Amino acid sequence: DADVTQTPRNRITKTGKRIMLECSQTKGHDRMYWYRQDPGLGLRLIYYSFDVKDINKGEISDGYSVSRQAQAKFSLSLESAIPNQTALYFCATSAPARDEQFFGPGTRLTVL
Amino acid sequence: GENVEQHPSTLSVQEGDSAVIKCTYSDSASNYFPWYKQELGKRPQLIIDIRSNVGEKKDQRIAVTLNKTAKHFSLHITETQPEDSAVYFCAASVQGAQKLVFGQGTRLTINP
Repeated sequence: DADVTQTPRNRITKTGKRIMLECSQTKGHDRMYWYRQDPGLGLRLIYYSFDVKDINKGEISDGYSVSRQAQAKFSLSLESAIPNQTALYFCATSAPARDEQFFGPGTRLTVL
Repeated sequence: GENVEQHPSTLSVQEGDSAVIKCTYSDSASNYFPWYKQELGKRPQLIIDIRSNVGEKKDQRIAVTLNKTAKHFSLHITETQPEDSAVYFCAASVQGAQKLVFGQGTRLTINP
């Protein structure tokens, strides 16, 4: 089945380290998103991309950067991780002219 | 920009009773309103959505109602079952913009 996958699924890192979270999809969708989930705050959009050459900031992009290496791959980087970036991170995709988003399984990131 | 408020943050109901979760949105241009369900340790998945040209939509035991004038929409679950226990998120977007703004989430617990 076509799916959205994320690696790693869990990661513990230290303050100041650079870390990359990766997202891949076999759905053939052109639109990809990165969210973070915190208890009581819901899902907040970090970055989104409508194609390889189109990258847009979401509501909480500070401290993060992204790379769209191909239609099927969208990576999220934390250049210098800090403890308040500890969260559950989700990648999502959607098809052109369709509103439903399909989520990956999530990456639980802990910054010590 | 769009702001979505969701209430209550937690909800506990007896099995067989009904559950209602409410959301309000701020942007009158929003016209697409999905609801996602996230079971423990799993990814969010779309369960129902509504567009602004209709006031109500049903799918078996779940329904969504929309009041455009008041800018609020609600999820109704009837005859609740243990498998309905999950976190539910509402969201809003301008149809075609393909960028969702999520509410804070409601943790629903069904008591046997």
